Amino acid sequence: NAGVMQNPRHLVRRRGQEARLRCSPMKGHSHVYWYRQLPEEGLKFMVYLQKENIIDESGMPKERFSAEFPKEGPSILRIQQVVRGDSAAYFCASSPRVGQHTGELFFGEGSRLTVL
Amino acid sequence: DQQVKQNSPSLSVQEGRISILNCDYTNSMFDYFLWYKKYPAEGPTFLISISSIKDKNEDGRFTVFLNKSAKHLSLHIVPSQPGDSAVYFCAASPGDFNKFYFGSGTKLNVKP
Repeated sequence: NAGVMQNPRHLVRRRGQEARLRCSPMKGHSHVYWYRQLPEEGLKFMVYLQKENIIDESGMPKERFSAEFPKEGPSILRIQQVVRGDSAAYFCASSPRVGQHTGELFFGEGSRLTVL
Repeated sequence: DQQVKQNSPSLSVQEGRISILNCDYTNSMFDYFLWYKKYPAEGPTFLISISSIKDKNEDGRFTVFLNKSAKHLSLHIVPSQPGDSAVYFCAASPGDFNKFYFGSGTKLNVKP
């Protein structure tokens, strides 16, 4: 399956713990987006990355959240000291590099974070 | 800061009839518009798109209309099928594709 792979699909954390969500883009894609969907709401942009570079992080909360997309390995969204309000579905999407981008995003199935 | 709005949270349509989903946007810099379909517990999947140089794009049963002066787009599904029952999101981008803004979604229910 060459689709966007996210893991874990479900993650339960207690308040104050750390959550790490991983995303492997589609084969041949070098750009990754992270979106968050709160219950009963739409998708909110968080961050846009290419390999080893953050292009746009204007949607990331200023504290506790960070994202990376290393040269090797998946993109990681890290949430430190989680709070109940972080409970949401986190979706990763990938796209080809600039010049090949058709505007279509390819989404993974999401990681559902529950903070107790 | 909701730049893309879908004002109808839900829509119910009889099988075989037309479904019309609406979307409004506020940012005149948006250059590219897309519709995504989402089933429960799955990620959104791309349905159809349109660039601002066009006012209509058709793909099978799906047609997207863009009215730039009104900053409004709509998705028409005809004929509607029960398998079309899902949440539909519209999205917009300034064209650099650095960021896509999504609406809050419309839940479509197609009744057999």
